[in-house]
Amino acid sequence: GIQVEQSPPDLILQEGANSTLRCNFSDSVNNLQWFHQNPWGQLINLFYIPSGTKQNGRLSATTVATERYSLLYISSSQTTDSGVYFCAVVELSFGAGTTVTVRA
Amino acid sequence: EAQVTQNPRYLITVTGKKLTVTCSQNMNHEYMSWYRQDPGLGLRQIYYSMNVEVTDKGDVPEGYKVSRKEKRNFPLILESPSPNQTSLYFCASYRGDYGYTFGSGTRLTVV
Repeated sequence: GIQVEQSPPDLILQEGANSTLRCNFSDSVNNLQWFHQNPWGQLINLFYIPSGTKQNGRLSATTVATERYSLLYISSSQTTDSGVYFCAVVELSFGAGTTVTVRA
Repeated sequence: EAQVTQNPRYLITVTGKKLTVTCSQNMNHEYMSWYRQDPGLGLRQIYYSMNVEVTDKGDVPEGYKVSRKEKRNFPLILESPSPNQTSLYFCASYRGDYGYTFGSGTRLTVV
């Protein structure tokens, strides 16, 4: 199956900082999503982005399908951005996630 | 509001006592699936359903059953729960241009 690798595994940010999370995948995909799992365990769909760039408020994502990677950008981070960020491809092969901690 | 509803949110049960976790979606999606999430193992697919009366095994189907008698509902059944089925469970539905929508999760503890 398709391998999904996320980096970095952990990220500690000061409130207001910007960051970039990366997702590499081992084969061509036509289905890629970014999710945020909040401290209460809920999985929130951030972006469905098989290719191109999308933005939603302080978050944006870019997928370069031909080079098999996707990036999630968090700008002006807030403490509510803390949690685990997953990318997932195809029939939901999840990466291991990036744990983000935003400190006030 | 478009959503996937799982119940219950929390459940503590004893080994061998049959239980059902319900999942319902109001988006008329054909595809639905169940996942379990365990520390260090990430999210793993248990079963999925492409449409009514069509179900198939995912990566970790042992000890679970599902049914899809109508499009909106996709219950997960544990006929004889065991402690190794203690986990956080998610139901999801899928639409091709939007992706997956997850339920709020069910924290199951089997003692």
